[in-house]
Amino acid sequence: DIQMTQSPSTLSASVGDRVTITCRASQSISSWLAWYQQKPGKAPKLLIYKASSLQSGVPSRFSGSGSGTEFTLTISSLQPDDFATYYCQQYNTHSWWTFGQGTKVEIK
Amino acid sequence: EVQLVESGGGLVQPGGSLRLSCAASGFTFSSHPMHWVRQAPGKGLEYVSAITSDGGSAYYANSVQGRFTISRDNSKNTLYLQMGSLRAEDMAVYYCAREVNSGPPDYWGQGTLVTVSS
Repeated sequence: DIQMTQSPSTLSASVGDRVTITCRASQSISSWLAWYQQKPGKAPKLLIYKASSLQSGVPSRFSGSGSGTEFTLTISSLQPDDFATYYCQQYNTHSWWTFGQGTKVEIK
Repeated sequence: EVQLVESGGGLVQPGGSLRLSCAASGFTFSSHPMHWVRQAPGKGLEYVSAITSDGGSAYYANSVQGRFTISRDNSKNTLYLQMGSLRAEDMAVYYCAREVNSGPPDYWGQGTLVTVSS
């Protein structure tokens, strides 16, 4: 299986901060990368697909970039509603889909 | 409005069986591949199983291969996960999720908790 590694595991930030989360794949996945947000007790919410495409209804402060094995999720100005855990997920064709271990964004 | 509602979770002894259901509404269920994803308490997300839109092909994580069976009834707009030989490590919240256009799932249910304990 393709291994997905996120960094950092935990991130402390303040409202208004620019936040960047990195995700690395163990082999090239082209742009078959998604980002999810999950809050405690809730299902994951799709934010970004195909590495940089914003899911409908997701605020534009969220953006994604990268291809191959290196990807980033950026929140341009952190809002109170953004404190959550974020997961990257690869959906490369002919590979079992896998998630990163998650990045928890905490209030500083 | 797209809705996915899981049911069937509960307490089961190690070695036991359980069948989860996911009732879908608000979209053409028969047009979408579907997935089961689980999350152990305090842990990350893990794909468990997937099934094509017509139910003709099913896929499993190595961790559940041979013990779990995914199926669907498109006439009832319902997805199933039959789980057998359950182990402590299968304890998790199980989510069903809708795939769209060969991409990542865009809609998820609220999850159902499976507890494996004697």
